[in-house]
Amino acid sequence: DAKTTQPPSMDCAEGRAANLPCNHSTISGNEYVYWYRQIHSQGPQYIIHGLKNNETNEMASLIITEDRKSSTLILPHATLRDTAVYYCIAPFTGTASKLTFGTGTRLQVTL
Amino acid sequence: KAGVTQTPRYLIKTRGQQVTLSCSPISGHRSVSWYQQTPGQGLQFLFEYFSETQRNKGNFPGRFSGRQFSNSRSEMNVSTLELGDSALYLCASRPGWRELVEQFFGPGTRLTVL
Repeated sequence: DAKTTQPPSMDCAEGRAANLPCNHSTISGNEYVYWYRQIHSQGPQYIIHGLKNNETNEMASLIITEDRKSSTLILPHATLRDTAVYYCIAPFTGTASKLTFGTGTRLQVTL
Repeated sequence: KAGVTQTPRYLIKTRGQQVTLSCSPISGHRSVSWYQQTPGQGLQFLFEYFSETQRNKGNFPGRFSGRQFSNSRSEMNVSTLELGDSALYLCASRPGWRELVEQFFGPGTRLTVL
């Protein structure tokens, strides 16, 4: 998998947008960027994925730079329930099941 | 649609014993992957099964094994348990095994080895 780098922790005030960055400078042209999150004591939860274009769903938006070397996950209106560890992953195309989770970013949403 | 279910949720064993964990994927999903999560090593891929065949394997010793049944349910077995096997074991399912789609994780089985 392409190596990804994320800050270890971030804070965000409830109601504000949370912008979580991820660097993946070694990503190849056909590797997608996936985001998962893990709330304490639960299994990871899929959030969103993208290849080149920006993506949006009911949970979040994903902004991928034109050179694809980095991306940002945006939670538009963070709530306390969004407190979790967020993982940015770029798996090889042929081994999409073999996800390699790094240490992720621990997002703390506060009042 | 019911999510991925794992049983048991909690398990306590002693060194040298063996353990079997079970995973029922989302209805219609044929691919099941297993992961081990520990504080020190994070989330690590164990293996994946599709159509009762192991398709991918992580870097774990042979004490870790698995299988998948014709109804897509999967079990993993750990023999000769060691203290370091204490972890949260997560199962994830998805419809197929080649396409790039999200995996759906279960709540996990927390194994404690004493």
